[in-house]
Amino acid sequence: AQSVTQLGSHVSVSEGALVLLRCNYSSSVPPYLFWYVQYPNQGLQLLLKYTTGATLVKGINGFEAEFKKSETSFHLTKPSAHMSDAAEYFCAVTRRSNNNDMRFGAGTRLTVKP
Amino acid sequence: DADVTQTPRNRITKTGKRIMLECSQTKGHDRMYWYRQDPGLGLRLIYYSFDVKDINKGEISDGYSVSRQAQAKFSLSLESAIPNQTALYFCATSDRLSIETQYFGPGTRLLVL
Repeated sequence: AQSVTQLGSHVSVSEGALVLLRCNYSSSVPPYLFWYVQYPNQGLQLLLKYTTGATLVKGINGFEAEFKKSETSFHLTKPSAHMSDAAEYFCAVTRRSNNNDMRFGAGTRLTVKP
Repeated sequence: DADVTQTPRNRITKTGKRIMLECSQTKGHDRMYWYRQDPGLGLRLIYYSFDVKDINKGEISDGYSVSRQAQAKFSLSLESAIPNQTALYFCATSDRLSIETQYFGPGTRLLVL
């Protein structure tokens, strides 16, 4: 089965600084990869996804992620953090053939300091 | 996103009680899912349903049951609640034409005493 590892349960950055949230996956078949964001007391919202095609994917709120097969990674970045980016972020993976087996990482809580 | 709603949003119950969490969606999606979220563990799949007549166990189905009353409704039951079922529960939906993207409800916070 596939799995996801998110490095760092808490990440703190200053407003305006680069945001880098790390995600490594394990999958024996070509994966679909996702980043979700969860704001306090809310459900998960899709930030971006990689299915096929271009390996650099852009999402909402200025976030992007790059699928690197050789490194089995799908790190999330944003050039300049905003206070409103403070939330918990989840990386997820599923097999292309069957999305009922989506596996989530443990999450990374992003704090943005003024 | 009000397209996927969950009731109740918060629930406190006692060990041994039976409770039901409900999920409704107006997105017209045929696929629905129940997850639980625990700190440090992310989300884990409990049950999923591809249509009214198709219900399947997920990664952690023991102690839970589900009912797909209609395409738009998917309920999760804890037959006899226990404290380690204290968690945040999410319902999600997806469409057969874009099955890889799931849309989540706001969650139900359950505390079992």
